[in-house]
Amino acid sequence: DAKTTQPPSMDCAEGRAANLPCNHSTISGNEYVYWYRQIHSQGPQYIIHGLKNNETNEMASLIITEDRKSSTLILPHATLRDTAVYYCIVRATNFGNEKLTFGTGTRLTIIP
Amino acid sequence: SQTIHQWPATLVQPVGSPLSLECTVEGTSNPNLYWYRQAAGRGLQLLFYSVGIGQISSEVPQNLSASRPQDRQFILSSKKLLLSDSGFYLCAWSVQVAFTDTQYFGPGTRLTVL
Repeated sequence: DAKTTQPPSMDCAEGRAANLPCNHSTISGNEYVYWYRQIHSQGPQYIIHGLKNNETNEMASLIITEDRKSSTLILPHATLRDTAVYYCIVRATNFGNEKLTFGTGTRLTIIP
Repeated sequence: SQTIHQWPATLVQPVGSPLSLECTVEGTSNPNLYWYRQAAGRGLQLLFYSVGIGQISSEVPQNLSASRPQDRQFILSSKKLLLSDSGFYLCAWSVQVAFTDTQYFGPGTRLTVL
């Protein structure tokens, strides 16, 4: 799986949009971009994933650049409960590649 | 909707004692099941995964074992715990949809071996 690079920490004001960047310059054509978050002492929570098109669900939006070398997770109206470590993962979901590899992620702090 | 349960939530065990952690999934059939461990301040380490009843693949050799006695039940065991077995144990499930299989995690069990 391709490696990802994320800033170690970010702050965002409550109610504003939180934009979390991720670089994955060595991504392959069959690899998806996944985002998870982990709130302290809880299991990781799936947020969203995409291949090449932008995606949106009830939690967030995922913007993937046309060359697929980077992406941005957008939390449109951040709340204090969004404070967590956010992980960007690139993964080919073929048989024999079951392992999820979490890097160090971005620690997002929502400021009241 | 699907839910995943793990118990116990926390566990303190002496070195050399046995271990049994249980994970169950509701609301889906024939899921892939996974056991991960997260040591303090570190990333996730895949320990075992299972694509069906009685089918277990081990990622890392260790003194832990896994079993899948039922379709939606996954058990992590040890005969004798080591200090290094302390950590946050996470169970996850996934189902293949089109070309992707998203893994969903349980709440975890925090194990402390003393």
